[in-house]
Amino acid sequence: DSGVTQTPKHLITATGQRVTLRCSPRSGDLSVYWYQQSLDQGLQFLIQYYNGEERAKGNILERFSAQQFPDLHSELNLSSLELGDSALYFCASSISRTGSAYGYTFGSGTRLTVV
Amino acid sequence: DQQVKQNSPSLSVQEGRISILNCDYTNSMFDYFLWYKKYPAEGPTFLISISSIKDKNEDGRFTVFLNKSAKHLSLHIVPSQPGDSAVYFCAASARLNYGGSQGNLIFGKGTKLSVKP
Repeated sequence: DSGVTQTPKHLITATGQRVTLRCSPRSGDLSVYWYQQSLDQGLQFLIQYYNGEERAKGNILERFSAQQFPDLHSELNLSSLELGDSALYFCASSISRTGSAYGYTFGSGTRLTVV
Repeated sequence: DQQVKQNSPSLSVQEGRISILNCDYTNSMFDYFLWYKKYPAEGPTFLISISSIKDKNEDGRFTVFLNKSAKHLSLHIVPSQPGDSAVYFCAASARLNYGGSQGNLIFGKGTKLSVKP
């Protein structure tokens, strides 16, 4: 157990629908990062929150949004889902605002299947 | 535009031999490099890192080498064990703001290592 909790582990939904993925960071970590791993692709950075505020944006679609709540858990909202959104979505956390020698701690991911 | 590249999707090695996983990067602003290991149905786990001020870092069976002039790093696993079979991701970060990354980790696509008994 890495200490980063992601729910649900699996999600199957239809095109056009909206889903919410949830992440609880490791205790004491202030940063939450969301990554997407599609088939044959590496981990694509989506967005980062630090202590409740958005800090960095990567390749995140406008149909996707996220937030970090006062208790530091984060939610990633995916709307108007398309088949191509099927992927593994990972949440990671770190104590600092930036990546460093210590890296991030990842959760076990949410596998989203859009049918 | 891929800033971190792992050009070998897969690698097969005999148990007890050396595994060498390679990674190239394009951004000269990167100053930390990390390797992550990922088993199926699990998230990536941190393995080893190296700062750009060093050219080698060792941790048990794992050694990472950095060649800044070539913008190349490699992970050596000696001796390789069947339990090392996993996908290995190379990642890089820049402490200073760089474009949109702002110090976040940029990952390669991964190399699937298979260690055969």
